[in-house]
Amino acid sequence: EVQLVESGGGLVQPGGSLRLSCAASGFTFSSYSMNWVRQAPGKGLEWVSYISSGTSTVYYADSVKGRFTIYRDNAKNSLYLQMNSLRAEDTAVYYCARAGGHGDYFDYWGQGTLVTVSS
Amino acid sequence: DIQMTQSPSTLSASVGDRVTIPCRASQSISSWLAWYQQKPGKAPKLLIYGASSLDSGVPSRFSGSGSGTEFTLTISSLQPDDFATYYCQHYNRYSPTFGQGTKVEIK
Repeated sequence: EVQLVESGGGLVQPGGSLRLSCAASGFTFSSYSMNWVRQAPGKGLEWVSYISSGTSTVYYADSVKGRFTIYRDNAKNSLYLQMNSLRAEDTAVYYCARAGGHGDYFDYWGQGTLVTVSS
Repeated sequence: DIQMTQSPSTLSASVGDRVTIPCRASQSISSWLAWYQQKPGKAPKLLIYGASSLDSGVPSRFSGSGSGTEFTLTISSLQPDDFATYYCQHYNRYSPTFGQGTKVEIK
């Protein structure tokens, strides 16, 4: 069974940093591209970042470019999102999501971890 | 960037109704379109990819259609478990975009 479990969320002050983790199991993690998607309270879904299976290719939404870094450790079956210079508008539930085998839609999602940026 | 538009934002329906949820792209996206269902406090769940391909395990009352800029998610006979918010998504690896969502509520 495919499982994605996020962790690392919490309360952080504006300008602070946080690292999110996503532990993957039930599939060959190193064979799949991965994404982070976020959802602000009461709002819709916003894609944040993409990383290819071999880590060579990464993409970011304009809203986080230069502040967030996506990376992965295939030996540990883990995906990460390093978030720096956090702003109030980064407050959201952050989901990791696997890119489907037939394309780049998101076929499996984690349960999400809440990041709150507030003083 | 390609914009995805879903309207209405809320749709009221009854159990047994046939429900259609539209989604429009700001420019042609061929069939690079997915649909997701999200219930309160839960992660989204993939329903449809490639505009019309049903994901594994998704009930056959769900179907997707369209190509280019106009797409539709259809629920042939609404069930109690289907009251949720539905999002369309143009997918690609460098700038995927979601619609604003359509909430299907009980009439």
